[in-house]
Amino acid sequence: KAGVTQTPRYLIKTRGQQVTLSCSPISGHRSVSWYQQTPGQGLQFLFEYFSETQRNKGNFPGRFSGRQFSNSRSEMNVSTLELGDSALYLCASSLLSSDEKLFFGSGTQLSVL
Amino acid sequence: GESVGLHLPTLSVQEGDNSIINCAYSNSASDYFIWYKQESGKGPQFIIDIRSNMDKRQGQRVTVLLNKTVKHLSLQIAATQPGDSAVYFCAETGGFKTIFGAGTRLFVKA
Repeated sequence: KAGVTQTPRYLIKTRGQQVTLSCSPISGHRSVSWYQQTPGQGLQFLFEYFSETQRNKGNFPGRFSGRQFSNSRSEMNVSTLELGDSALYLCASSLLSSDEKLFFGSGTQLSVL
Repeated sequence: GESVGLHLPTLSVQEGDNSIINCAYSNSASDYFIWYKQESGKGPQFIIDIRSNMDKRQGQRVTVLLNKTVKHLSLQIAATQPGDSAVYFCAETGGFKTIFGAGTRLFVKA
């Protein structure tokens, strides 16, 4: 069974631009959650989706948004990029909820210049 | 943001020794706890979990201890091997989200 797939693996953007990251969960998993990982703040929860609905959201500004499609694939978008948005963005899938065992992708490394 | 544990300590152990990694969690209402291992260039990977109705759980070479009185988790790795070198995160769950600790970096010296 294929694992969680995130694309792209690396991304370089400039301030003010927007970016869309993609995540394909493990087949059969319906919950997708997103995390931001930085050396200073560790793993910070962004949001969780189940059946195309956002069920929970972390403490991030509205520039961070996401969605989930009917096939459980998910995207997250960051608009008006800031230097501080440079981070590893990790997607995790689980069967029904993000408060279960999580299966992570390898992440998208975003650099904002 | 929310976090479990606040610092990223480093633990250096000799190959073959036992390792103990500690973690303090924040929410006394949390009832499910997980340890994850993150190797360089990869996402975190599940190691072992424990429910709040237990105080100890053993896996292959790993043991998790839970002390709810002081909101403390520990991960014990027996006979530590070079392949155990990684960052280890404790996590507490509830309310459709998982909250991760800051992590501990484990170095294994050959």
